[in-house]
Amino acid sequence: KQEVTQIPAALSVPEGENLVLNCSFTDSAIYNLQWFRQDPGKGLTSLLLIQSSQREQTSGRLNASLDKSSGRSTLYIAASQPGDSATYLCAVRRVRDTDKLIFGTGTRLQVFP
Amino acid sequence: DVKVTQSSRYLVKRTGEKVFLECVQDMDHENMFWYRQDPGLGLRLIYFSYDVKMKEKGDIPEGYSVSREKKERFSLILESASTNQTSMYLCASSFGPGIYGYTFGSGTRLTVV
Repeated sequence: KQEVTQIPAALSVPEGENLVLNCSFTDSAIYNLQWFRQDPGKGLTSLLLIQSSQREQTSGRLNASLDKSSGRSTLYIAASQPGDSATYLCAVRRVRDTDKLIFGTGTRLQVFP
Repeated sequence: DVKVTQSSRYLVKRTGEKVFLECVQDMDHENMFWYRQDPGLGLRLIYFSYDVKMKEKGDIPEGYSVSREKKERFSLILESASTNQTSMYLCASSFGPGIYGYTFGSGTRLTVV
């Protein structure tokens, strides 16, 4: 059974810090891993999609890496801002049972001025 | 950008009512999904559809049904709403299985009283 874990569960940092959010998964047979952002009471916004053959993806201040063999992904946020405050979720699409996304437990981030 | 639109942001319904949640996507995606999200339980898959008039049960289908008469529209139906169906409902779509990412709607917060 695929399990996806995110560490830390919550994080509170001052503005300007560089951050690393971690995601680990137990079954390395995946098509891809996707990072999402969720603001309170809202839907999920896709941040980055990394295919299993890729090592990393970048979008602006965000960089996501993937090490499929060790079952790990990190989301790096450079120069954090209060507007980055949200819950961040990772999710994997596995080769077996490909129609389902398996979500992580989430990291709740607060960036204060 | 792909857009997934959920027709209502907030809904309040009475116990026993039949409730329809509507979801429309505008990018010819094959796959569509309904999730519910509850504190401490994360996102759980209710139903999904990989083609018009096709549907598959997810992890928690009891008390729900779905309809997909057109490719762009996927409806979630609560046949007789109960208070334990109070939740955030999220619709998502994907171009297809495997390598494609998911796009989520903005969510419907349903309260059953």
